[in-house]
Amino acid sequence: ELKVEQNPLFLSMQEGKNYTIYCNYSTTSDRLYWYRQDPGKSLESLFVLLSNGAVKQEGRLMASLDTKARLSTLHITAAVHDLSATYFCAVEFWGGNQFYFGTGTSLTVIP
Amino acid sequence: DTGVSQNPRHKITKRGQNVTFRCDPISEHNRLYWYRQTLGQGPEFLTYFQNEAQLEKSRLLSDRFSAERPKGSFSTLEIQRTEQGDSAMYLCASNQAGNTIYFGEGSWLTVV
Repeated sequence: ELKVEQNPLFLSMQEGKNYTIYCNYSTTSDRLYWYRQDPGKSLESLFVLLSNGAVKQEGRLMASLDTKARLSTLHITAAVHDLSATYFCAVEFWGGNQFYFGTGTSLTVIP
Repeated sequence: DTGVSQNPRHKITKRGQNVTFRCDPISEHNRLYWYRQTLGQGPEFLTYFQNEAQLEKSRLLSDRFSAERPKGSFSTLEIQRTEQGDSAMYLCASNQAGNTIYFGEGSWLTVV
């Protein structure tokens, strides 16, 4: 069964702190995406990770992929309030016919 | 704006009525996807098209749901005899095979 699991589901953190969101998936993947979603809005693409060991960084966010462990991480450095949102990982299987989304991590950054 | 466009953005309908959503993908994209998202959940795959061919449908897509992409450009998602459980945001996405998928702003459906 294809599964994509994220943890934690909810994350409350103080400004300036670091934290990591984890995304585990159950079978071989073609690629992995991270998206951000603000309340009532659609999905904003953050990162696309294509191969084992891939690391991408944008501002305070850094994503990595370990295909052997079937694990991706989204690391937040020195969080700021503007990062408050829900973050989803999505895994592309079978040549891109489907994306399976994780359960999402609702992040709240407290001033 | 050349992103994925969806309309209407919001629709309130009475139970039992039919509704139709339209998606205009990014013009050069040959793949188009429909997803559904309920509050507090991640998006769930409904169906996908490559050009005009509907290549995959989720078992979530009951007989009341139908999607078309007649000329390989825009797509419509119709829900017949709506039920309260259909209330959700319906997301359209597109890409060129093998490239990044872009999502539209979504169409919110409320069934009362």
